[in-house]
Amino acid sequence: GENVEQHPSTLSVQEGDSAVIKCTYSDSASNYFPWYKQELGKRPQLIIDIRSNVGEKKDQRIAVTLNKTAKHFSLHITETQPEDSAVYFCAARRDNTDKLIFGTGTRLQVFP
Amino acid sequence: GAGVSQTPSNKVTEKGKYVELRCDPISGHTALYWYRQSLGQGPEFLIYFQGTGAADDSGLPNDRFFAVRPEGSVSTLKIQRTERGDSAVYLCASSLTSGLQTQYFGPGTRLLVL
Repeated sequence: GENVEQHPSTLSVQEGDSAVIKCTYSDSASNYFPWYKQELGKRPQLIIDIRSNVGEKKDQRIAVTLNKTAKHFSLHITETQPEDSAVYFCAARRDNTDKLIFGTGTRLQVFP
Repeated sequence: GAGVSQTPSNKVTEKGKYVELRCDPISGHTALYWYRQSLGQGPEFLIYFQGTGAADDSGLPNDRFFAVRPEGSVSTLKIQRTERGDSAVYLCASSLTSGLQTQYFGPGTRLLVL
């Protein structure tokens, strides 16, 4: 079945620096890759997603890149702010299913 | 409009008891999903409904777990003979339809089995 690996498990950056989180997936039939942000004790919230027909998508300070050949995708956050501190999860969805397979999460800490 | 809601927010039960967890999806959303999130882990898929029928229940860990969605809106996840290993946050999500649609999550029910 599908497996999603996520790295690093923790990431600490200084305010204003960039943060990059990487995920790899195993099923080449995966075609949808969302990223969720989860603050402590709160629900996961979608921050950006990408479909397999594009290689990059950007929304203000957040961007996601997808390399289908290598089966990996990455989240890029620029000009980080303390409120970006949270756990970030990547996920992948196989073409003929509707379930999301999540990575194990990255705890991002942005220090002022 | 209102987001996905779940009740109760916390549930403490004893080993061997039966529990029901409720999910109210966003109004008009036909697809509903249940996930389980253990501490320090990502959500793990349990079951997915399209309308009233369970389209994919491949994530249910065993036959102690069952879910229903009788009218295609509210769903109930039922756990029989609870075990300590069932302790986790149970998350519900809904999307407008199936397919490449954003899944919106509820706040979860934190289940603790003593």
